Amino acid sequence: RKEVEQDPGPFNVPEGATVAFNCTYSNSASQSFFWYRQDCRKEPKLLMSVYSSGNEDGRFTAQLNRASQYISLLIRDSKLSDSATYLCVVNGGYSTLTFGKGTMLLVSP
Amino acid sequence: NAGVTQTPKFQVLKTGQSMTLQCAQDMNHNSMYWYRQDPGMGLRLIYYSASEGTTDKGEVPNGYNVSRLNKREFSLRLESAAPSQTSVYFCASRTLTGETLNYGYTFGSGTRLTVV
Repeated sequence: RKEVEQDPGPFNVPEGATVAFNCTYSNSASQSFFWYRQDCRKEPKLLMSVYSSGNEDGRFTAQLNRASQYISLLIRDSKLSDSATYLCVVNGGYSTLTFGKGTMLLVSP
Repeated sequence: NAGVTQTPKFQVLKTGQSMTLQCAQDMNHNSMYWYRQDPGMGLRLIYYSASEGTTDKGEVPNGYNVSRLNKREFSLRLESAAPSQTSVYFCASRTLTGETLNYGYTFGSGTRLTVV
């Protein structure tokens, strides 16, 4: 089992749609979880951390299920500007992070 | 506040040539990292430095060396470039204390390296 697995993409959605990204991780000892966003030919940027109780930031909601080793990201009311690749990230060792391969989102008018 | 600065942004090397990728951060972060990103492979850790004075291998260290010059700077060296090292290289930094485990990395803008 790969360390961090994400849904293969791309996801094509119309503006205003709700889209969900799923991620599973293999290291049950992982303590830190993140979603990053990466625009084409740019560096990854932190979208949000994922907390045990779940957390929301505007249109974005992240959930963590430690028992199932599962992380999710929900985007509501998709905008054209949300088009990007979304990376699920989990701490590997104490000081390193392991990245999923990412899921591309394409939001169309 | 520049964050993480990488140089150069683009580079073309011939097989067998050497070069050093430079990375500097001005956020007083303790830990610094080098990743490579290839199509279909995602980001893979090459080397990291958890704190000044220490370096450790990541997932794909072969063909690379690193130097943590001081707290701000972490360089990546390719001694004899090979076409398989054609990739986009990202430097990142992070600070590690208990409360900041919920902070991720800050990345530089990347170096696009082509080895011909």
